[in-house]
Amino acid sequence: KAGVTQTPRYLIKTRGQQVTLSCSPISGHRSVSWYQQTPGQGLQFLFEYFSETQRNKGNFPGRFSGRQFSNSRSEMNVSTLELGDSALYLCASSLDGPVTDTQYFGPGTRLTVL
Amino acid sequence: AQSVTQPDIHITVSEGASLELRCNYSYGATPYLFWYVQSPGQGLQLLLKYFSGDTLVQGIKGFEAEFKRSQSSFNLRKPSVHWSDAAEYFCAVGANPYNNNDMRFGAGTRLTVKP
Repeated sequence: KAGVTQTPRYLIKTRGQQVTLSCSPISGHRSVSWYQQTPGQGLQFLFEYFSETQRNKGNFPGRFSGRQFSNSRSEMNVSTLELGDSALYLCASSLDGPVTDTQYFGPGTRLTVL
Repeated sequence: AQSVTQPDIHITVSEGASLELRCNYSYGATPYLFWYVQSPGQGLQLLLKYFSGDTLVQGIKGFEAEFKRSQSSFNLRKPSVHWSDAAEYFCAVGANPYNNNDMRFGAGTRLTVKP
């Protein structure tokens, strides 16, 4: 079956703009998690959605938000972009939960903020 | 709060040689432990995980890891490395089976395989 897909794969924005990233989970998976990966901070958890509800949230400012649709597809939005938001954003899906179930990661969206 | 340390930033091994990647964690109770691999331009792939039970865990691609509570370690091993194993490896620790908001990832170990 198809894996986790993320669009777009690459994105260039300027400071102050906003951006929306999309994630399509594996069919049947209800949990979608988002992570930020940077050389300096490594992998950090942003939030997790389950059945259209944000179930868990990491320690990121309110500029980072997300949502999940009824078909489990998820979007992540970052408003008022800062240079430090340049990162690889990874989406991961799992059946019911990201810890007890296996997380399957997408290839990521590489965001560059100029 | 839990934390995880991967002491080796970069390791080089010859193809066919054995491999051990180190992971040390800090957490008071029994943690949930994971090893992931990330190939260039790809997302992470779960190699194996430990929740409880047998402390020697078998994973995919011929990898195994051993949980040693006394040493707070969860080292990843492979008896014979293949060129395709060249990638970055991440150890992760979680404290709660029901959410990942306190999951912590190590900084990663980059593995280079010499022919």
